[in-house]
Amino acid sequence: SQTIHQWPATLVQPVGSPLSLECTVEGTSNPNLYWYRQAAGRGLQLLFYSVGIGQISSEVPQNLSASRPQDRQFILSSKKLLLSDSGFYLCAWRTVGRETQYFGPGTRLLVL
Amino acid sequence: GENVEQHPSTLSVQEGDSAVIKCTYSDSASNYFPWYKQELGKGPQLIIDIRSNVGEKKDQRIAVTLNKTAKHFSLHITETQPEDSAVYFCAATWGSSGGYNKLIFGAGTRLAVHP
Repeated sequence: SQTIHQWPATLVQPVGSPLSLECTVEGTSNPNLYWYRQAAGRGLQLLFYSVGIGQISSEVPQNLSASRPQDRQFILSSKKLLLSDSGFYLCAWRTVGRETQYFGPGTRLLVL
Repeated sequence: GENVEQHPSTLSVQEGDSAVIKCTYSDSASNYFPWYKQELGKGPQLIIDIRSNVGEKKDQRIAVTLNKTAKHFSLHITETQPEDSAVYFCAATWGSSGGYNKLIFGAGTRLAVHP
């Protein structure tokens, strides 16, 4: 069966510090991968998606970037965090050819 | 672009009552409509989905209906229980660039089931 992991689970970072969040998927090959952000009490905003290694599409211009160094690894990064980067970051995957997306447990980021 | 509107934003019911959450979408090409349940501090979990060639789908106490002409779909929970309390999100596929479909999410409904 497929599983998706995210770490860290929670993170408190000062403004201006760098960021690296990791997502890995097990039990599937060549998944489509996604990063979403969820502000407190709000819906899901798609940040990035990837259809393959090194292939990243950005949905919203912002302070963040994403990379996919391996087939089942997706990384969200920032060089300098802003207060507005605080939120709940969710990684998701889907099998190519199927519509359903499955979400990871999320990373709660607080920028102070 | 595609937009998914979800109502109500909050819903409070007594245990055993039914709950209905409604969503409308704008892209007539949307063909897949999932519903997710998100408990506090966790990632959303798929609870039911429906495709455009089906008008209704049921799974125990949960059902989803789809009206493609009106471009709206609804989640129905019967015999609600306290453990149904969570935030529910609807979504619709949008876009087909290179065969890729995105999911556009509604803003969510916070359901509270009171014993």
